[in-house]
Amino acid sequence: SQTIHQWPATLVQPVGSPLSLECTVEGTSNPNLYWYRQAAGRGLQLLFYSVGIGQISSEVPQNLSASRPQDRQFILSSKKLLLSDSGFYLCAWSARIGEKLFFGSGTQLSVL
Amino acid sequence: TQLLEQSPQFLSIQEGENLTVYCNSSSVFSSLQWYRQEPGEGPVLLVTVVTGGEVKKLKRLTFQFGDARKDSSLHITAAQPGDTGLYLCAGEGDSNYQLIWGAGTKLIIKP
Repeated sequence: SQTIHQWPATLVQPVGSPLSLECTVEGTSNPNLYWYRQAAGRGLQLLFYSVGIGQISSEVPQNLSASRPQDRQFILSSKKLLLSDSGFYLCAWSARIGEKLFFGSGTQLSVL
Repeated sequence: TQLLEQSPQFLSIQEGENLTVYCNSSSVFSSLQWYRQEPGEGPVLLVTVVTGGEVKKLKRLTFQFGDARKDSSLHITAAQPGDTGLYLCAGEGDSNYQLIWGAGTKLIIKP
């Protein structure tokens, strides 16, 4: 069966520090991978998605970047965090674009 | 731009009551998904509706897709504290097939 791992669960970082969040998927090949951000108790904002290794699409201009160095690995990064980068970050995968998503357990990022 | 509006944004009711949550749009969606999310966790898919007028049941939860595929509803019968969570709807968008998300309905069922 397929599983998705996302870490860390919580992170507190000072403004201006770098960021690296990692997500890996097991049990499937060539998944579509996604990074979402969620404001407290609200809907999801798509940040990046990837349909294959090295292929990244950005949905919202921002202080963040994403990379997919391996088929089942998706990384969210920043060189210098801003206060506005605080939020709940979710990694997800799907077999096809637009189909059901399977989410990781999320990372609560606080930038202070 | 396709949008999905969910209502109500927040609902707090007593155990045993019935409730309905709505997901509305002026746009047609080829399919619509409902997710439930608990605090500190990722959303989990409950159901996908595809056909206009379709009704799907998941125990005490009944999901309906509007005839014109522009809206959907989630009805919970005899709500229980375990139903507490954030309910999100998401529709498959036209432009790049990415999901369009509603802002969610936060549901609290009091024992």
